[in-house]
Amino acid sequence: SQQGEEDPQALSIQEGENATMNCSYKTSINNLQWYRQNSGRGLVHLILIRSNEREKHSGRLRVTLDTSKKSSSLLITASRAADTASYFCATDYEGSGSRLTFGEGTQLTVNP
Amino acid sequence: EAGVAQSPRYKIIEKRQSVAFWCNPISGHATLYWYQQILGQGPKLLIQFQNNGVVDDSQLPKDRFSAERLKGVDSTLKIQPAKLEDSAVYLCASSLGQGNEKLFFGSGTQLSVL
Repeated sequence: SQQGEEDPQALSIQEGENATMNCSYKTSINNLQWYRQNSGRGLVHLILIRSNEREKHSGRLRVTLDTSKKSSSLLITASRAADTASYFCATDYEGSGSRLTFGEGTQLTVNP
Repeated sequence: EAGVAQSPRYKIIEKRQSVAFWCNPISGHATLYWYQQILGQGPKLLIQFQNNGVVDDSQLPKDRFSAERLKGVDSTLKIQPAKLEDSAVYLCASSLGQGNEKLFFGSGTQLSVL
């Protein structure tokens, strides 16, 4: 399977703490995206990082990409209870014809 | 701006019955996707349309699943006959251009096959 693998599968933290989720993938990519899914809802796009970028920021989100290690990380700083959700990485593999392949996700719980 | 609309929200059927899902993407979005999300897993692409042409249906079980996008706007996904393992959430998504950058998802249709 070429899908990205998120780590950890589940993460529970207190409000105000930082949350870090990791995604590993297997072959060269064009871009990698992170999405959030609240329970019973569709996915919401958070951030896209291209293969020639190493770091991107968006508000309290910071994404890094290490193509040599074929891995990405999503950092949420100063977490809030509203950040409780599942987080998925999605990879656009080279030669996939623009198909996005989603990982299994990390379930984040932020306790008030 | 209206989001991606899907209906119905929930559907319960018995195995071997047929079912259809409907999706209305964001106005002006050229690319439309159908994903299947089994409980506890990430979404899996079933089919991708660009305007009204199929870009990728390599993971669509064509013996029982079919999809169409008439006039390059609305889309329907059909399952006939349904199997127990088809129980999942069916998500529709759309994106503005030809690529896959920034997909907008609907809330999905939760299908239970008994």
